[in-house]
Formats: sequence, C-alpha cells, structure tokens
Amino acid sequence: KQEVTQIPAALSVPEGENLVLNCSFTDSAIYNLQWFRQDPGKGLTSLLLIQSSQREQTSGRLNASLDKSSGRSTLYIAASQPGDSATYLCAVLNFGNEKLTFGTGTRLTIIP
Amino acid sequence: DTAVSQTPKYLVTQMGNDKSIKCEQNLGHDTMYWYKQDSKKFLKIMFSYNNKELIINETVPNRFSPKSPDKAHLNLHINSLELGDSAVYFCASSLRGAGGTETQYFGPGTRLLVL
Repeated sequence: KQEVTQIPAALSVPEGENLVLNCSFTDSAIYNLQWFRQDPGKGLTSLLLIQSSQREQTSGRLNASLDKSSGRSTLYIAASQPGDSATYLCAVLNFGNEKLTFGTGTRLTIIP
Repeated sequence: DTAVSQTPKYLVTQMGNDKSIKCEQNLGHDTMYWYKQDSKKFLKIMFSYNNKELIINETVPNRFSPKSPDKAHLNLHINSLELGDSAVYFCASSLRGAGGTETQYFGPGTRLLVL
C-alpha cells in the first residue's frame, strides 16, 4: 500500500528566501508524481507533474525533482513571495490503478 | 470559464438526511473522480469513472453512490448522512485515466457539515 509523507507539516519563511518542500513515498512503482497547491477554502491547483522517467520539472520559480529509487521528491521555490503562502500537497499515481495517493501536505507561510 | 464546477459549495444538513453533490467538467475529459478531504486535511480518493464506467471504488460505505449520466458529469449521492461524513468533497477530472501522463483538475470543493 502506497504511503506518502510530507515533512515538515508547517513551514514559515521570510519573504525572498528560497525554500524546499519534501515528499517521500513508500512504493516506487509509480506513473508520475504531482505537486498541488491548495489555498484556504479553495480547491487544488496543479503546479507540476513529473513522469516516472523524468528527474525534474520547472515552471517559473518552481522546480520539482524526483528520485524514484529512493522514493523522494522535492519542490524548490525560489525567491518566495507572500502569495506563495498555501498548503502544498504531493501526490503519486501508482502503476496498475488510477489512484492518486496524496501526502499530508505542508502548510507554507511566507512572512512579509 | 470554470473547468470543473461543483454544486453546492456549502451544504449543512441534519443527520439521517439524504443529499446529492453535483460535478460538471467542460474540459472534454474522459475520467472523473470524487475525493474526500477530512478535518485533518487528508485527501483520499473515493470513486473514479471513465466514460461513465466505474473504475475505482474505494472502501467507502454503500451509503455513498456515485452516478455518471454522461462523461461530463459525476454526481455523488449520500444516504442517511452521519456526523463522520462532514468533510470537503472534491471532484476532479483528467483527460484519460490510464497511462499516468495526465494532470487531474480539481473543482472548488463542497463543504459538507452534518449536524
């Protein structure tokens, strides 16, 4: 059974700093890994999707990496802004089924 | 234009009632999903339909019954609501269910509170 863990559960960082969010998963037989953002009271917005054959994906100030063999992914946010404050969720799509298994999320607060 | 929409946005009801949540996507996707996010913010899949066919049916009480009248709609009916059903329910869709190349697009959520 796939288990996805995100550490830390919460993170506060001064504006302008670079930061890294971590995601680990127990079963490396995955199709892809996705990073989502959830704002309070809102739905999820997909940020980046990394296929199992890829090592990283970049979008603007965001860079996501994937090390499938060690069951880890990181989301790097450069030059953080107050608007980056949200909960960040990682999710993996397993081989053999259509199920996304979500992590527990990291609540990020950027301090102006 | 709203890609994945859900109604209602908020739902407050008494224990024992029956309620439905509706979801529609205008993205032309083949696959739709229902997720439940509990009070600890943990998000877990409940059901998935591909072209109106049920393909994922997680271990949820049979009081929950999804219905897909066409591939653009996936509704969730809940019978005999219980306090533990209080959560945020998210609908999502993806272009295709298989292959793992597709991003899932989420609706804004329906906040259900059972009193």
